[in-house]
Amino acid sequence: EVHLVESGGGLVKPGGSLRLSCAGSGFIFNMYSLIWVRQAPGKGLEWVSTIRSSGSPTYYAASVTGRFTISRDNAQNSLNLEMNNLRAEDTGVYYCARWLGAATGTGRIDYWGQGTLVTVSS
Amino acid sequence: DIQMTQSPSSLSASVGDRVTITCRASRNIDTFLNWYQQKPGKAPELLIHSASTLQSGVPTRFSGSVSGADFTLTISSVQPEDFATYYCQQSSSDYYTFGQGTKLEIK
Repeated sequence: EVHLVESGGGLVKPGGSLRLSCAGSGFIFNMYSLIWVRQAPGKGLEWVSTIRSSGSPTYYAASVTGRFTISRDNAQNSLNLEMNNLRAEDTGVYYCARWLGAATGTGRIDYWGQGTLVTVSS
Repeated sequence: DIQMTQSPSSLSASVGDRVTITCRASRNIDTFLNWYQQKPGKAPELLIHSASTLQSGVPTRFSGSVSGADFTLTISSVQPEDFATYYCQQSSSDYYTFGQGTKLEIK
């Protein structure tokens, strides 16, 4: 059974940094693109970043470009999101998710983690 | 980036009603459109991919279609467990944008 388990969320001050991790199990980790999706309190889903199966290329939403870095360790079956210069608007639940199928085209998210809450506040 | 616009942002329905939610892309995305359902406090779940392909295990009362630039999610007869928020997502580009969501509420 596929499992994705996020960790690393918490309270951080504006301008601070945080590193999220996601542990994958139950599937061949290095065969799948992985993505981060976030959801601000009471708001909709926002795609944040994608990393392809080999570790590159990577893609970022305009709202996080230059501040967030996605990476993966296929030997450890882990996905990471390094978040720097955090802002209040980065507050929300961060989900890691598995991308199934074509990178563009018929691909889709087929599994999600349970999410980890990031709160940026002074 | 491709912008996705969903309508309506919310709607009320009774059990047994037929419900339609629409999603439009800011440019051509072929049929590369996915639909997800999210219930409060839970992660989203995939309903439909490639505009009209039902994900395994999803009830057949859910269907997806496309007409021109408009993508439609239809629930043929709403059940109590269907009251949730629905999101579209395009997979045409590497920047996988979502629609803003449609909240389906009980009338």
